[in-house]
This record gives sequence, structure tokens and C-alpha cells, in this order.
Amino acid sequence: KNQVEQSPQSLIILEGKNCTLQCNYTVSPFSNLRWYKQDTGRGPVSLTIMTFSENTKSNGRYTATLDADTKQSSLHITASQLSDSASYICVVRGDYKLSFGAGTTVTVRA
Amino acid sequence: SAVISQKPSRDICQRGTSLTIQCQVDSQVTMMFWYRQQPGQSLTLIATANQGSEATYESGFVIDKFPISRPNLTFSTLTVSNMSPEDSSIYLCSGGDYEQYFGPGTRLTVT
Repeated sequence: KNQVEQSPQSLIILEGKNCTLQCNYTVSPFSNLRWYKQDTGRGPVSLTIMTFSENTKSNGRYTATLDADTKQSSLHITASQLSDSASYICVVRGDYKLSFGAGTTVTVRA
Repeated sequence: SAVISQKPSRDICQRGTSLTIQCQVDSQVTMMFWYRQQPGQSLTLIATANQGSEATYESGFVIDKFPISRPNLTFSTLTVSNMSPEDSSIYLCSGGDYEQYFGPGTRLTVT
């Protein structure tokens, strides 16, 4: 069964600090891995997409890494801002369907 | 990129009634999907909306309960039929080919 597991479930960080979110997956076949940001009451918005051959991809203060051998990914948020408070969802595309992680809820406090 | 809009953004409905949710994409996309998201949980795929043919439903979802239309490459509807309080959820439309874009969601409350 295709699974995507994220950790931690939630975290609280102070504004300006960094944090790293983890994603482990067992999806096969593997097409690509995406990180989405979902603000409360809104639909998910794509941050990064990585294919098998990509190890790192950045989008502003967001940097995603992918280790396709160990089937692990991480999302690093640098110099967090209050607007980073959201749920971050790891999504893996197999054939044409997407498998969703449960998300990590990040709360940034001033 | 594609911009996806949904209508209505939220609704409160009585049990036993039906609600149709509309999804509009600002560009043609091959694939469109409908998801359900329970509070605090991730997204669950309801079905793939196929243009010009019947939708493909995931396990646990049936056409009689969630009929879907896809008349063209930019528009789709999802109907939640004979609603019960258990149908209270956020319903999201997504579309795209390589990139998947999501609508803002429709928050449904069934009383």
C-alpha cells in the first residue's frame, strides 16, 4: 500500500528560527514528490516538486531535499515568519494518483 | 500555472438534501480530481473527473452518492447527494497535468 508519513505532527517555533519537516514514503512506482503549504481555510499551494534525479530544490526560504534511495524527503524553512504558520503536506505521485501525508502543522510565534 | 475557483465557498445544508459544487479552471487541463478533507486531516481522493466519460471513483465512494460531471477541459461539478452530518467536510477540486493546482475548497456543514 502506498503510504506517506510525516513528522512531526506539529511544531511551534519562534519567529526568525529555522525548522525541518520530515517525510518518508513507500509509494511505488515513484514519479515525483511535492511539498504543499496549506493555510487555514484555503487549498494547498505547491512549494516544490522534485523528480527522482533531483536532490535539492529551493523556493525562497523553503528548501526541499529528496533521497530516492531511502525514500525520504525533508522541507527546511529558514528564518521563519509569522506567515509561515500553516500545514505542510508531503505528496508523492505514483502513476497518476497523488498520495498525501497527514501534514505537519507549523505555528510561528513572535 | 492554473487558477482554480470553486462555488460555493461554504454552505450549511439540511440532512437529506443535495448540494452541487462547481469547479472552474482558468485554462484547459487534462486531469481534474475531487478530494475531501476532514478537519485536521489530510486529503482523501473521491474521484477522478474524466472529460466526456464517467468519473473514476476511489474505494468507499460511489456515483450515486457523489455524482460528478466534466463537460469540458475547464469545468467540473461534484454533487453530494442525500446528505447526512457525516458528509460535513471540506471538498476540494484540483486540476493540472504535471503540476496539480487546488481550488480554495468548499466548506460543507450538514445539520
